[in-house]
Amino acid sequence: DAGVTQSPTHLIKTRGQHVTLRCSPISGHKSVSWYQQVLGQGPQFIFQYYEKEERGRGNFPDRFSARQFPNYSSELNVNALLLGDSALYLCASSLGSGNTIYFGEGSWLTVV
Amino acid sequence: GIQVEQSPPDLILQEGANSTLRCNFSDSVNNLQWFHQNPWGQLINLFYIPSGTKQNGRLSATTVATERYSLLYISSSQTTDSGVYFCAVDNNTDKLIFGTGTRLQVFP
Repeated sequence: DAGVTQSPTHLIKTRGQHVTLRCSPISGHKSVSWYQQVLGQGPQFIFQYYEKEERGRGNFPDRFSARQFPNYSSELNVNALLLGDSALYLCASSLGSGNTIYFGEGSWLTVV
Repeated sequence: GIQVEQSPPDLILQEGANSTLRCNFSDSVNNLQWFHQNPWGQLINLFYIPSGTKQNGRLSATTVATERYSLLYISSSQTTDSGVYFCAVDNNTDKLIFGTGTRLQVFP
């Protein structure tokens, strides 16, 4: 069975540009969440979606947005990129609250 | 919000040694997971353990929810165990709060 898949795996963007990161959850999982991990720190929660509705949002600026599609895949969008947005972006999926959460391999974003 | 602290922050072992990693959390939680992050960044599930004890091969974990801590025990460590170990908690929200991590290096 396929795990959580993310794309792209690596990308380089220029300050001010926009980026879209994509995530496909494990088959049958309706909950998708996004995390940002900067070097040397633990992952920080950005968004959680369940059944296409936003269920939670972390302490991130409005430049960050996300959505979940009818097939439960998800996109994370970041506008007006800053150098500080350089990080590993992790997508996770689960059956729902109270279940094991599984992570994808992440998307490494470098902003120059 | 809930604070999660892990100790020790760094651990250096020789192959074959045993180790215990600790995770303390500041409030009651419904879920707790242990992860191993490999050098390529992937977070690999080790245990989903809101309470009790579980074992998987050379790894075992115990969570004492009433005392707000969890332990991850690694026996007969191998070089492939190297990486960062995180515990993460949530209250049935799927919003994981991660600890500060323990960086483990195992040398042959």
